[in-house]
Order: sequence, then C-alpha cells, then structure tokens
Amino acid sequence: NAGVTQTPKFQVLKTGQSMTLQCAQDMNHNSMYWYRQDPGMGLRLIYYSASEGTTDKGEVPNGYNVSRLNKREFSLRLESAAPSQTSVYFCASSEWDVGSNQPQHFGDGTRLSIL
Amino acid sequence: DQQVKQNSPSLSVQEGRISILNCDYTNSMFDYFLWYKKYPAEGPTFLISISSIKDKNEDGRFTVFLNKSAKHLSLHIVPSQPGDSAVYFCAASEGRGSQGNLIFGKGTKLSVKP
Repeated sequence: NAGVTQTPKFQVLKTGQSMTLQCAQDMNHNSMYWYRQDPGMGLRLIYYSASEGTTDKGEVPNGYNVSRLNKREFSLRLESAAPSQTSVYFCASSEWDVGSNQPQHFGDGTRLSIL
Repeated sequence: DQQVKQNSPSLSVQEGRISILNCDYTNSMFDYFLWYKKYPAEGPTFLISISSIKDKNEDGRFTVFLNKSAKHLSLHIVPSQPGDSAVYFCAASEGRGSQGNLIFGKGTKLSVKP
C-alpha cells in the first residue's frame, strides 16, 4: 500500500527555472494538500484541494500554482523559482468531511534547492 | 502570530521513563488536535488525535490530554523506547470551517536514551 507518493524526491534548480512537483494518493481520499517545511519551522500550508475540481490558497501561496488533475493527483508548480523557495515540500491527503475529523496522511517529501 | 506553539525545541528522556510533550494554542475555534511523529528524510506520520469534546484519548503507549480552559494539550509516551526518538509535531484544525486544514507547531525533538 503506497499511500501518498511524491516525485521527485530531490531536485536542484537555478533561479528562474520552473518545475512541477507531483503527488498521487491511492487511498481514494477527497482532499489533498501541499505544505512546505523550512528549518526549525512547522509545516505551512501552500494550497489545498478540498475535492476534485476545487483548489484554494493556504497560508503561503505566493509563487506557486496547483492543479488537481483528478481525484488521485495534485501537482504543485513553481513558475519562476527563487532561492526563498528552497524547502522540503510535503503532499498530504485525507478523507475530510464536515462533521467528520480525519487525519491527513503525508508523503515522504521533495527536497528542493534553488541556487 | 503562532496559533500553535511547542515551546520546547528538544526533550531528552531515559528509556523506560515517561515522555511528556506539550503544546499550547491560541485559537479557541480549534476543535480537533493531532500529534504527528517525523523521522529524518521521511514524511510526518499520524500518531494520535483528540476531539475537543474529549479530554483524553489513549492508544497503546500514547495518551493525549486536552485542557480546553488552558488551551493546552500534551502527549504522554509510556514507557519511552529508543525508537520513539523523532520530532513530534502538534497540529490543530477548526473542524467544520477549515476544510480539514491543519496548523502545525514547530515541533519538539525527542531523544530517548538507552
């Protein structure tokens, strides 16, 4: 059971380059999330998708775009990478519903360095 | 302004003893609280959660206590084992209004010494 799979695991970019981080879940969850974690910090929400076809901004959305490709896949795009976007990126999914608290399940992260 | 605070960056405990990790929050709308465990180079793993209608939830060696009046929760690990050495994150959600979004603390690094 793979759970949440993120690709790539590592990436080095130059300032101004673009790239897309991929995330797929096999738990049939309706909600998916993208977080970033910086040294000494907790995880901060970038974007989320409460259900297929919807996306919304989180706490730190600037410089990112997302696509909920289908129920399984949720991608994060950096259009013009900046050194401040050097971070570890985590994707998560959950079977969230109003009145039903469910935990989020995380992938192992993508470690992104921007030079 | 941090809504979820873990004021101890690190904690060291002897194997077999109790580990107590603390978390404070400021948002009175939070109604669902979770603890995650994270090993290096891995994603956070869900450990245990508690709804605001309860004050205690237990799962094996792990117990979470919630004190709503003090806006404080704690995670107790008894007995602690070397494999428990990891970073522990406290997280909270507003439930109905949040669409499942979580607010995380900065984490506490637990070291359990043999």
